[in-house]
Amino acid sequence: AQSVTQLGSHVSVSEGALVLLRCNYSSSVPPYLFWYVQYPNQGLQLLLKYTTGATLVKGINGFEAEFKKSETSFHLTKPSAHMSDAAEYFCAVTQGPVSYGKLTFGQGTILTVHP
Amino acid sequence: EAQVTQNPRYLITVTGKKLTVTCSQNMNHEYMSWYRQDPGLGLRQIYYSMNVEVTDKGDVPEGYKVSRKEKRNFPLILESPSPNQTSLYFCASRPRAGSTYEQYFGPGTRLTVT
Repeated sequence: AQSVTQLGSHVSVSEGALVLLRCNYSSSVPPYLFWYVQYPNQGLQLLLKYTTGATLVKGINGFEAEFKKSETSFHLTKPSAHMSDAAEYFCAVTQGPVSYGKLTFGQGTILTVHP
Repeated sequence: EAQVTQNPRYLITVTGKKLTVTCSQNMNHEYMSWYRQDPGLGLRQIYYSMNVEVTDKGDVPEGYKVSRKEKRNFPLILESPSPNQTSLYFCASRPRAGSTYEQYFGPGTRLTVT
């Protein structure tokens, strides 16, 4: 079984401030983890992914996430927020070959960036 | 260009009028899925298919049907739509074997049932 919990449905930051979006997962096997971003009235765009290997993963637009197995977490960060980062962010988990293509999503976090 | 396409992108219909949302991928992927997105709930899997003629229920299959007669196509059928099926729908695909298990998403179909 697999599940994802995103802590905080809304996060608000000032432009230039640190962005931290929290994600905790549950998986009965080693997970594959993803962060997606959805801009208003658009589809899903892959930000970054963790499969195996290095636990600190860098993605597009200056975002990165760290896989912490002991904490079952995969939090998304960006050192300095930009107005263009305002969007909804989804964390997702799959169990790889045993998941039959299923991706389980968190509830989503809406990021607001204030000038 | 490798992509997943969906049609229509927007659809407004009335309760009980059968409709089909098409999904097609050109990447020769074995696995395909349908998800619905609702505020505060994220995306939830409706149905998935592991290959031609092989489909199974996801987390929220009630009121939906699917078929997989060709590898590239995976239509979603609502035989008697109801207002609680108003949602944003995404089709996705991925190869059976792969190192990242990344899914490729279509652009979405926004459905309104009145």
